[in-house]
Amino acid sequence: GENVEQHPSTLSVQEGDSAVIKCTYSDSASNYFPWYKQELGKRPQLIIDIRSNVGEKKDQRIAVTLNKTAKHFSLHITETQPEDSAVYFCAAKGTGAGNMLTFGGGTRLMVKP
Amino acid sequence: KAGVTQTPRYLIKTRGQQVTLSCSPISGHRSVSWYQQTPGQGLQFLFEYFSETQRNKGNFPGRFSGRQFSNSRSEMNVSTLELGDSALYLCASSLAPTGQNEKLFFGSGTQLSVL
Repeated sequence: GENVEQHPSTLSVQEGDSAVIKCTYSDSASNYFPWYKQELGKRPQLIIDIRSNVGEKKDQRIAVTLNKTAKHFSLHITETQPEDSAVYFCAAKGTGAGNMLTFGGGTRLMVKP
Repeated sequence: KAGVTQTPRYLIKTRGQQVTLSCSPISGHRSVSWYQQTPGQGLQFLFEYFSETQRNKGNFPGRFSGRQFSNSRSEMNVSTLELGDSALYLCASSLAPTGQNEKLFFGSGTQLSVL
């Protein structure tokens, strides 16, 4: 089955700096890669996703890049703000029935004001 | 629209007991997935249901089971509870499990403590 590795497990940045979180996946058939943000004590929420037919997707200060050959994808947050502090989870999923969404271990991002 | 509703919010049980957790998806969503969240372990997939059928099952022992009803509501049952089952159990719904409707909407979770 799919295996998703996420790094780093914790990341501390200064407000205004950029943050990058990286994930690798094992199943070359995976074609859907979402990122979820979970603030302390709250439920995970989708912040951005990408499919294997594109290499990059942006939404304001966040972007995701995908390298299918190397089987890794990354989340980039620019101009970080204190409200970006949360746990971020990457995930990967293949096509068709029988393929489930597999999450990485999570990255705790702390943005220091 | 109401969000995903999970009940109860908190549960305290003792070893050997069984427990049933409930999840009501967003109206119109037919896919429900369950995840176990523990500190340091991220989100571990338990199972996924779509139209009352189990599509996938994660690597958990047979003590963990689930079902989905015709109104898409889902229940998860854990029998013979162990201390290691203490965790936050999250349910998530989506319109469909594949294609363009895969976005998961999570509930607030049920915090299970096994003493």
